[in-house]
Order: sequence, then C-alpha cells, then structure tokens
Amino acid sequence: GEDVEQSLFLSVREGDSSVINCTYTDSSSTYLYWYKQEPGAGLQLLTYIFSNMDMKQDQRLTVLLNKKDKHLSLRIADTQTGDSAIYFCAESRVTGGGNKLTFGTGTQLKVEL
Amino acid sequence: NAGVTQTPKFRVLKTGQSMTLLCAQDMNHEYMYWYRQDPGMGLRLIHYSVGEGTTAKGEVPDGYNVSRLKKQNFLLGLESAAPSQTSVYFCASSYTGFGYGYTFGSGTRLTVV
Repeated sequence: GEDVEQSLFLSVREGDSSVINCTYTDSSSTYLYWYKQEPGAGLQLLTYIFSNMDMKQDQRLTVLLNKKDKHLSLRIADTQTGDSAIYFCAESRVTGGGNKLTFGTGTQLKVEL
Repeated sequence: NAGVTQTPKFRVLKTGQSMTLLCAQDMNHEYMYWYRQDPGMGLRLIHYSVGEGTTAKGEVPDGYNVSRLKKQNFLLGLESAAPSQTSVYFCASSYTGFGYGYTFGSGTRLTVV
C-alpha cells in the first residue's frame, strides 16, 4: 500500500513535550514534511527533512526520521496552547507529475492547561 | 504577496447544481493541486496540473473537472453536485522539483444538500 498513517488524537499538558508519529510506506520518498492546520485555515508548512537525514532541529521542533522502519516523528518542546491544531505528515514521491505529496490523516493535538 | 487565494470561502449547493471553485496564485508556481479534506481521511488529491494548459487526475477525480488556462489560475468544477461532495476543498501550489513544500489556500467549505 501507499498509505501515510498517523494516530488521530494526542492530548498533552501545557509545558510538556508532544511527540506526533507518522509511518509511511514508499521507500523512494525523497522529502518528508510536517504541516500544521489551525481551525478554519489552510495548511502551513512547519518543517521538512530530506530522506538522507536522521534528525532536523528547528527551535522548538525536532524531526526524527527512521528510514529503515519508515517512521517519522515531530517533537514539540514546551508545548503551548497555540500549538493546538491538526498536524499532517506528508511524503514526496517520484512520479511523472513531479513534486506530488501524499498526506497522512492528520493528528489532532490538544494542549490542556 | 497574497499567496494562494480561493473563492468562494463557503457555498451551499442543491443536489444536481453545478459550480466552479477558483484558485489563484501570484507566486509564479508551475504546479497546482486540488485536494478535498474529510474527517479522518486527511487530504485526498482530486486533480493537479504541472503547468499552464495541463491537467491530470489524482486519487479521487470522479465527479470533478479542472482547467488551467492561465498559469496563475486553477479551476475546479462540479457539473452535478452530490451530497458525497460535501467537503472542504483546498488548493495548493508549488515550485517544480522536489524539496519544496506546498503553499495552501484557506479552503472552500462546500455543503451539498
């Protein structure tokens, strides 16, 4: 199959770390992305990682990639209420249509006080 | 720059009616995409375009048509709307090649009654 899978919900307390997981199936994926969707809005690109990297850090965000297991994770340090949103992972595949992304189902992150 | 603009933002249609959703981008992107977002199913690609005058089918193209007469515009048409097409529709655009994320519009919420 060619599905990108994520768990649907995650709840954390403010100040804790959040870890959102994603599994993908296409070993030829070149780039993997994390997008954030706030209520009533479109998706915003948060960060991405090239497939030959294991880790990428960007301020409070850490992306880990385990290519052997086809597992991608997004860690948000010191989670704030403003981080409440749906997070989508996506993989970029080599196709005749160029840069085509396949998205996961999205993980709803709820940050509680 | 406005980025990606979608019109309208909301619409209610009766079964059998037709409508066109407009997507406009001002970033000179070659690639444009139409997705639909449904609860628990993530984003599914309807149609996409790799350049002016070109279109191609995505994952769920049935019941939709598209046109890309101008590079900056990508139109999504519903010829005879059905309740199963009730969804939130997102347009996105990107540069050619890999490693570039998509820029998304803010979405069109369509209800077919």
